Amino acid sequence: GENVEQHPSTLSVQEGDSAVIKCTYSDSASNYFPWYKQELGKGPQLIIDIRSNVGEKKDQRIAVTLNKTAKHFSLHITETQPEDSAVYFCAARFTIGNEKLTFGTGTRLTIIP
Amino acid sequence: DVKVTQSSRYLVKRTGEKVFLECVQDMDHENMFWYRQDPGLGLRLIYFSYDVKMKEKGDIPEGYSVSREKKERFSLILESASTNQTSMYLCASSPGTRGNQPQHFGDGTRLSIL
Repeated sequence: GENVEQHPSTLSVQEGDSAVIKCTYSDSASNYFPWYKQELGKGPQLIIDIRSNVGEKKDQRIAVTLNKTAKHFSLHITETQPEDSAVYFCAARFTIGNEKLTFGTGTRLTIIP
Repeated sequence: DVKVTQSSRYLVKRTGEKVFLECVQDMDHENMFWYRQDPGLGLRLIYFSYDVKMKEKGDIPEGYSVSREKKERFSLILESASTNQTSMYLCASSPGTRGNQPQHFGDGTRLSIL
């Protein structure tokens, strides 16, 4: 069935260093991969997304890469700052014409000052 | 900005009660979703709706039902609440099938069933 695996479940990095979170998906027909950030007491917020016809996308300190052959995609955060501390979720859309997303289990990122 | 509003941030109910969780979006989105969030399990889809009066089961619909009488409002109903339904509930909305549109989330309702 549809499945998204996310690793690691927790990640601590020194302020200023880079953080990488990886997700793998089960269905090669998947075509849309968003990343969400959830701060304490709030709902998830979209931070970046990528479509299957693109291999990489950047937005300032955040980038996402997609490897369709290996069926995995990664979130890269460079020059991390304390406000990057949050829970991050990856997701995948498995069916064209269906807006349903399947989410990973989340990564708690802690930036150490 | 898209605004998805969930009527309660915290809710405490008793086993066997009928519980209503309400969600309203202000961007005329066709699609609305209900998820529950549990530690280590991520977000799991309970039900979703593509249009008024339409609904489809998600991955964990047992023990829940939904209602969408108006486009902007999507209600989640626990017919007879049980302790294993204690969780964080998140509502989301997205535009229609215009090609890979992101979902926008509310801030959640933390529900405790005693």
